[in-house]
Amino acid sequence: EAGVAQSPRYKIIEKRQSVAFWCNPISGHATLYWYQQILGQGPKLLIQFQNNGVVDDSQLPKDRFSAERLKGVDSTLKIQPAKLEDSAVYLCASSLIRHNEQFFGPGTRLTVL
Amino acid sequence: ILNVEQSPQSLHVQEGDSTNFTCSFPSSNFYALHWYRWETAKSPEALFVMTLNGDEKKKGRISATLNTKEGYSYLYIKGSQPEDSATYLCAFKGANNLFFGTGTRLTVIP
Repeated sequence: EAGVAQSPRYKIIEKRQSVAFWCNPISGHATLYWYQQILGQGPKLLIQFQNNGVVDDSQLPKDRFSAERLKGVDSTLKIQPAKLEDSAVYLCASSLIRHNEQFFGPGTRLTVL
Repeated sequence: ILNVEQSPQSLHVQEGDSTNFTCSFPSSNFYALHWYRWETAKSPEALFVMTLNGDEKKKGRISATLNTKEGYSYLYIKGSQPEDSATYLCAFKGANNLFFGTGTRLTVIP
């Protein structure tokens, strides 16, 4: 069974630029999560989708972050414009249904200069 | 935002040594406690999902215990090997989402 795929694996941008990350969850998984892991901290949930609907985006900085999951499969997370404090690893995870075990992708390491 | 704490933040052990880490979490509204191993440049890998007070789980040389009444879990590694070098994350699950600790970074020296 293929795991959660993410791209790119690494990205370096300057502040005020835009960036987008892509996630392809495990086939058949209805729930998709985006986490932000800042160095020295634990992963923090940004947004959770159930199929193509948002379940929880309470921790998403909506002035600059957006995410979508069209057709309830792949998802993209965008930052526009980026700030220095957005430097982090962005992890995508999926689960068969809500509250089930989550499977993680390898993450995208973003560096904002 | 829930407070999930892990200690130590990092440690170095010699190959063959046994070691353990601690995860502390709220004792109320407990649903499950997850342990993950996260090797550099790889995906976090689920080790254990623990739900019942007194649970003990084992996977090879790694085991974990759970005390939901006092809000802590221990992860043990027996006879550490260099391939055990990774960050070990615990995550508390209440009614809704996972809340992660900051992790314990383990380095096993050959």
